[in-house]
Amino acid sequence: AQRVTQPEKLLSVFKGAPVELKCNYSYSGSPELFWYVQYSRQRLQLLLRHISRESIKGFTADLNKGETSFHLKKPFAQEEDSAMYYCALRPYGGSQGNLIFGKGTKLSVKP
Amino acid sequence: EAGVAQSPRYKIIEKRQSVAFWCNPISGHATLYWYQQILGQGPKLLIQFQNNGVVDDSQLPKDRFSAERLKGVDSTLKIQPAKLEDSAVYLCASSSWEGGYEAFFGQGTRLTVV
Repeated sequence: AQRVTQPEKLLSVFKGAPVELKCNYSYSGSPELFWYVQYSRQRLQLLLRHISRESIKGFTADLNKGETSFHLKKPFAQEEDSAMYYCALRPYGGSQGNLIFGKGTKLSVKP
Repeated sequence: EAGVAQSPRYKIIEKRQSVAFWCNPISGHATLYWYQQILGQGPKLLIQFQNNGVVDDSQLPKDRFSAERLKGVDSTLKIQPAKLEDSAVYLCASSSWEGGYEAFFGQGTRLTVV
């Protein structure tokens, strides 16, 4: 079955500390993986996708097919990073919006 | 650019009543999606349209939910009759080939069934 697991409901760190939001997936083929973010009172928006291999707002994520993971990392957290983060999977061949989401991790960055 | 517009933002109804949500996608986006997000969960796809045709409605509870996208632009999602477990945020999203199929989400409609 296709599934995305985010084991932490809440992650709290201090400003300047490293952050790692965990994401594991279950899929038999070669999926595309994404991280979406939802800041307070804002709409859900794409943060980054694994095929782009880019760093957005200091965040990076590497797809590890052996461990079926796509963890989101940032070396130095900022208060403005506080938000809900969702890991999502797109089955191979599906359109970009047809996403399977994890339950999300709430990141709280304390001053 | 203008984003995906949804209305209403909030709706409270009694169980067994009917309700409808409206979505206006980003201009030119051929693909439109409705997601249901129950509290504490991630969004779950209900239905996907390509222009005015249904691509995927495998997770839509068809005995009570219906959706249409007349003329391939705006879309409405209806629930009739509503159940308590339908309380959720209903998200509309749209995407286009030109935009690399990135899904752009609306603000959502928060439905409470009492």
